Amino acid sequence: AQSVSQHNHHVILSEAASLELGCNYSYGGTVNLFWYVQYPGQHLQLLLKYFSGDPLVKGIKGFEAEFIKSKFSFNLRKPSVQWSDTAEYFCAVNRAGGGNKLTFGTGTQLKVEL
Amino acid sequence: EAGVAQSPRYKIIEKRQSVAFWCNPISGHATLYWYQQILGQGPKLLIQFQNNGVVDDSQLPKDRFSAERLKGVDSTLKIQPAKLEDSAVYLCASSLVLGGVQETQYFGPGTRLLVL
Repeated sequence: AQSVSQHNHHVILSEAASLELGCNYSYGGTVNLFWYVQYPGQHLQLLLKYFSGDPLVKGIKGFEAEFIKSKFSFNLRKPSVQWSDTAEYFCAVNRAGGGNKLTFGTGTQLKVEL
Repeated sequence: EAGVAQSPRYKIIEKRQSVAFWCNPISGHATLYWYQQILGQGPKLLIQFQNNGVVDDSQLPKDRFSAERLKGVDSTLKIQPAKLEDSAVYLCASSLVLGGVQETQYFGPGTRLLVL
């Protein structure tokens, strides 16, 4: 069975600091990769996704993620965070052609301080 | 475009009682999912429907949980009887199917259940 690991459970940054959240998955086949974000009081929403092609994908609000197949990783990055990025971030994976069942990581709670 | 709708938003019940949650997906989305998110964990898929058929219910505790999507649109998830460990947020999501390929899942606001 596939699994997703997010090693940083809580991250606190100052505004303008750079962000990198780790995500590793375990599955040997072809996967689709996602980052979802949940802002306080709001529902889960898609930040970015990787299906194929350029392993560096760009999402909304200046976020990007890089798929490194050899490391089974899909880390999320943002060069300069804002207070409004305070949220919980979830990495998720599904098997390509596998019925779209998403397996989520445990999430990373990001707090950005002014 | 209206998003995924869920009700109620909050529910408090005592153990051994029953509870039902309702979900209305985005119009035109053939696939509907129910996830359970326990505090401190990521969402876990309980059941996936495509139209009114079940695609995957391998992680649904069938002795107490049931779900239906009779007309291929909205869906209900029921727990009977509830246990303390069922306290969680129940998320509904939906997605399009284009050319046989499943598209991005869109999530509703969730129903927060507390079992006392």
